[in-house]
Amino acid sequence: DAGVTQSPTHLIKTRGQHVTLRCSPISGHKSVSWYQQVLGQGPQFIFQYYEKEERGRGNFPDRFSARQFPNYSSELNVNALLLGDSALYLCASSSDRGRWETQYFGPGTRLLVL
Amino acid sequence: AQTVTQSQPEMSVQEAETVTLSCTYDTSESDYYLFWYKQPPSRQMILVIRQEAYKQQNATENRFSVNFQKAAKSFSLKISDSQLGDAAMYFCAYRRDAGANSKLTFGKGITLSVRP
Repeated sequence: DAGVTQSPTHLIKTRGQHVTLRCSPISGHKSVSWYQQVLGQGPQFIFQYYEKEERGRGNFPDRFSARQFPNYSSELNVNALLLGDSALYLCASSSDRGRWETQYFGPGTRLLVL
Repeated sequence: AQTVTQSQPEMSVQEAETVTLSCTYDTSESDYYLFWYKQPPSRQMILVIRQEAYKQQNATENRFSVNFQKAAKSFSLKISDSQLGDAAMYFCAYRRDAGANSKLTFGKGITLSVRP
């Protein structure tokens, strides 16, 4: 079975631009989470979606938004990009089957803001 | 708020030897889950091992085992018979009991190098 896939793998943008990152979860997984990983740090939680509804949101500004589609894929949108948004953006999916829910990560999208 | 602390930024181990990576956490919850993830240079985050807080028995997965000390809020990872492929960043992560928001809280990570 295919794992979590993300596109694009790399992206270069300039300050003030908008970016859309995409994620396809593992088949059968209904929950998708997004994390931001700045170089040299651990991932920071941005959003979690389950069945197309936002289940949780981390401490990120309103410039960050996301959505989940009927096929459970997801998009992360970032408006008015800042230099500090440069990071690896990770998507993780899980089956949400109770206590042993485990998140499986994709390879990430490396975003560079110039 | 829950926090996860990995105080050692780097560690090195000789191939075939054993190494222990440290992690402490802070939470007021009584039921939660702890994880170790591995992130090799290819950057794909891979689950290494997981532990339920209510289980006293330490989790083991082949060469990987944990030392879970709930009272001390400590969760260390032991890698036995280290291999060159174990070289990576290792992240300790916490998750409260599955529910409305099952986000992972990560530590800053530790870079493990394996000497041939």
